[in-house]
Amino acid sequence: AQTVTQSQPEMSVQEAETVTLSCTYDTSESDYYLFWYKQPPSRQMILVIRQEAYKQQNATENRFSVNFQKAAKSFSLKISDSQLGDAAMYFCAYRSPTLSQGGSEKLVFGKGTKLTVNP
Amino acid sequence: ETGVTQTPRHLVMGMTNKKSLKCEQHLGHNAMYWYKQSAKKPLELMFVYNFKEQTENNSVPSRFSPECPNSSHLFLHLHTLQPEDSALYLCASSPIGREGYEQYFGPGTRLTVT
Repeated sequence: AQTVTQSQPEMSVQEAETVTLSCTYDTSESDYYLFWYKQPPSRQMILVIRQEAYKQQNATENRFSVNFQKAAKSFSLKISDSQLGDAAMYFCAYRSPTLSQGGSEKLVFGKGTKLTVNP
Repeated sequence: ETGVTQTPRHLVMGMTNKKSLKCEQHLGHNAMYWYKQSAKKPLELMFVYNFKEQTENNSVPSRFSPECPNSSHLFLHLHTLQPEDSALYLCASSPIGREGYEQYFGPGTRLTVT
């Protein structure tokens, strides 16, 4: 079974600075999908960025980028020019390409990293 | 707000009560999910529905009973809960397909069992 590990329960960053959140995973599959989700204090979980394992290029979305190291099974999230609105819980998630019965997709989540942005 | 809504947002119930959580998605998705989020634990997948059919029951106690009358609505019926069932219950939906479409989450229902 796949597992996702986020080794940093909490992180803090100064406004306008850069922070990197770590995520490692364990899988025997060669093709899969990885996601970073953000959950602000209002509790609505939203997608930040996604990465397909077959793509060598790291995904980027504005100030958010990932460092995907497939051999090391590492998928870190870098937030540049941090803003107060970036404060949230960040969850790393893994999705297998193998469709479960019926075709739905199961996500395996890490425990999350609480990010604080200091003004 | 995303296209997934949940009601109520907060619920306090006694262990002998019966209540229901509701989830509705306006995204045209065919798969819906219930998750349990407890403090300091990863999100736990509870149930998965595909085209109204349950395809996953992740060893959830029978005091939680899901219902999916159509692809847009999902319910979680609760009865004789325990205090350890207090948590944030999240609903999500996604399209079904080979490509890695993400799941879209609702805001959650904060449940407290007294």
